[in-house]
This record gives sequence, C-alpha cells and structure tokens, in this order.
Amino acid sequence: GAVVSQHPSWVICKSGTSVKIECRSLDFQATTMFWYRQFPKQSLMLMATSNEGSKATYEQGVEKDKFLINHASLTLSTLTVTSAHPEDSSFYICSAPGQDGYNEQFFGPGTRLTVL
Amino acid sequence: LAKTTQPISMDSYEGQEVNITCSHNNIATNDYITWYQQFPSQGPRFIIQGYKTKVTNEVASLFIPADRKSSTLSLPRVSLSDTAVYYCLVGPNNAGNMLTFGGGTRLMVKP
Repeated sequence: GAVVSQHPSWVICKSGTSVKIECRSLDFQATTMFWYRQFPKQSLMLMATSNEGSKATYEQGVEKDKFLINHASLTLSTLTVTSAHPEDSSFYICSAPGQDGYNEQFFGPGTRLTVL
Repeated sequence: LAKTTQPISMDSYEGQEVNITCSHNNIATNDYITWYQQFPSQGPRFIIQGYKTKVTNEVASLFIPADRKSSTLSLPRVSLSDTAVYYCLVGPNNAGNMLTFGGGTRLMVKP
C-alpha cells in the first residue's frame, strides 16, 4: 500500500522558535494532503488542507500565520509551527488520499512536538 | 458530514470476538462508512469500508443494517496487539475528502 512518511518523528524546541515538519508521500503523488493535530487522549482534529501549487485551506480557529503550510511538490507538504509555545505541544499527523477511488487516506506516523 | 457516536471504551480478552457499534443517524445517501485503527503515538490505519450489508476482509468484518443508521465493526479472536483506538467515520466515497474524526472507541484487550 501507499506509504506516507513524516520527519522528524519527534522534536523538542524552546518557546518562541519555529519548527518545520515534513510530510512525504513515498510511492505516490498527492495533490492534496491533510494536517491533523492530536492532544493526549483526544481525537484527531483537522487543521488544514494542503494543496499542491496553491494556498492551504485552514479550518476555523487555526491561525494560518502561525501554522504555515507549503505544498511545493506532488510528494511533499511541510507544516511550520512559528513562534511555538508550550500550548502548541501536540502530536501532528499528516495524511494523503489513496488513489483507488475508495475513501481511504494514508496517514504518516506522526510527529511529537514538545515546546519547552 | 454525518456525526458518529461510539462507546468511549471497551474491554475484552484475548481470543474473544469484539463488536464495536457506531451510530450515524444522519447518514446521507452517498455516504460510506469507514473504520480506522490507531495505536498510541502512531497515525491511524484504514481497516475497512462499506456501504451496506456486510463487508469482510482479512482483518475485520463490517455489518451495516438496511437503514444504515448504525454499523458494527467485528474483530474476530482479538489479541493483545489489537489494543488500540477505533474510529468510525462517515462520508462520501472520495478519498480526497477531509476526514472528520469522532471520539473513537478505546479497546483494551487483556490476557
């Protein structure tokens, strides 16, 4: 099946710094990718839809200037958490739609962000 | 997107069959029912999808009654490694659509 990777798998940063998370579709192309955030013991919350070659679409309540998304190629989307604060500490997961016509998405392994 | 309701948690023992029911009273005509599994600190993984009646694959079975207002994920003979959160999602059959996750069911399999 299709594989989605994320890098890094975990990151610890100081408050006020920026962190970039990469999401790659390894063996297929993805014109659309999705970014989710998951706090402990909670469900996944969609943050934004990343569109190759165009601006991302953000969900209500998600600050586009804080969570910068760039989908520069058909296999790579990046999420940059700018001026990170402890409340941004979370598990960030990306996904890309499958190609077989079913409502299946392939998820990355996630990135654990801890802001000190 | 249709809202889904699942039990928050379930306990089972190794070797038992586990049935997790999901309610989706407002399911639309073009909506499919999809289940995902998520292990701790990992991304979700697709398990099974169906529209009506019964679907079976190597991992699970999905039972959908005629009115489609609910569905049941059946895991045969669970093992400890099936301990995970299981999410029921309802939406159009288009992989390009965003997914809206409900609370999920936390399954604990005990020895």
